[in-house]
Amino acid sequence: DAMVIQNPRYQVTQFGKPVTLSCSQTLNHNVMYWYQQKSSQAPKLLFHYYDKDFNNEADTPDNFQSRRPNTSFCFLDIRSPGLGDAAMYLCATSRTRASGGPNEQFFGPGTRLTVL
Amino acid sequence: GQSLEQPSEVTAVEGAIVQINCTYQTSGFYGLSWYQQHDGGAPTFLSYNGLDGLEETGRFSSFLSRSDSYGYLLLQELQMKDSASYFCAVRDFNGGFKTIFGAGTRLFVKA
Repeated sequence: DAMVIQNPRYQVTQFGKPVTLSCSQTLNHNVMYWYQQKSSQAPKLLFHYYDKDFNNEADTPDNFQSRRPNTSFCFLDIRSPGLGDAAMYLCATSRTRASGGPNEQFFGPGTRLTVL
Repeated sequence: GQSLEQPSEVTAVEGAIVQINCTYQTSGFYGLSWYQQHDGGAPTFLSYNGLDGLEETGRFSSFLSRSDSYGYLLLQELQMKDSASYFCAVRDFNGGFKTIFGAGTRLFVKA
């Protein structure tokens, strides 16, 4: 089955210790997104890639970086995690972004990050 | 600015009908989507309304009124497995297309 896969499902890191979360997709979608979701809140878009074109949200902290080495993979790097970065990180894909239609997004199961 | 409002929690009994409302304020509205998210799970797409009116998909229906900046998700014949969070999401254009999620409505279905 075509899908969005995130590894690991649970990640524990120490305050200030860099961490990388990974996402892969078998849907062959052009667009990949990273969201941060805290308890009982909406998913907050951090950035997205349209093919290799990186698009940062204006309010995404510099502490968050991303890499997309190929169509299938995308990584989220948190350079110096703080306690406030503990959250669920969701990766999503969509076929395109330049559409006024539903632009259905397909989400992975998420990585829950704990910062000690 | 852009904002979406939906109730934080709704409780209903099994077999009943429940309506989850969403009001929005955006500068370049294109359409309204709904996503379902079970605890610990990924959001999954339920429906999209680009035009005014009702869209029906099985037990779920979604409605949009552009003039009122308002939409709702209607769930019929509620089942326990429908207990989840439901997010409305606006498809917006402001220099580029973007999807903006609401804070979500947590639905509790009781026996």
